[in-house]
Amino acid sequence: AQSVTQLGSHVSVSEGALVLLRCNYSSSVPPYLFWYVQYPNQGLQLLLKYTSAATLVKGINGFEAEFKKSETSFHLTKPSAHMSDAAEYFCAVSQNTGGFKTIFGAGTRLFVKA
Amino acid sequence: DAMVIQNPRYQVTQFGKPVTLSCSQTLNHNVMYWYQQKSSQAPKLLFHYYDKDFNNEADTPDNFQSRRPNTSFCFLDIRSPGLGDAAMYLCATLIEGGNEQFFGPGTRLTVL
Repeated sequence: AQSVTQLGSHVSVSEGALVLLRCNYSSSVPPYLFWYVQYPNQGLQLLLKYTSAATLVKGINGFEAEFKKSETSFHLTKPSAHMSDAAEYFCAVSQNTGGFKTIFGAGTRLFVKA
Repeated sequence: DAMVIQNPRYQVTQFGKPVTLSCSQTLNHNVMYWYQQKSSQAPKLLFHYYDKDFNNEADTPDNFQSRRPNTSFCFLDIRSPGLGDAAMYLCATLIEGGNEQFFGPGTRLTVL
């Protein structure tokens, strides 16, 4: 069975500081891993995805994530936070077996202080 | 550009009054999904279609039904909305290649 754990339901950083959002996954087969961002009253927008190619994945808006199989982690980072990064972030895992179904983590709300 | 369109964006209904939410997609993919997302929670899969093959999640209440008349359109019917059904409802499909979900903007349902 698949599962996703996001450490920290709320993360607060200062503008210009490093953003680190943590995600650990469990999967019995090689997974697809995703980070989505959600702004208030909007749908989910894909930031980046891992699909068994390069372990360091670069996404939109300056975000990147590194797949570490030994740690079963897929943490999201951004070197310098911007006020516009304040949003809810979801880590997700999918398997392409028996239909492509996605399991989401509980989400991390990112606050950016001026 | 590929799109998933959800109408309306905001829906208000009364307790017990049936409501239908709609979703359309231009990616022409044969898979579509409906999620329910309550405030400050992760999206929860209600059901998905593979072509017209309907797949209900085990814990989706019978109050929720769905129709898919063709590849492009999918509807979510809530037969007797309760206060606990107030949520954001997200529709999604797959991109070409099938290894990534593409989400619509959602419909925010309020139950009075």
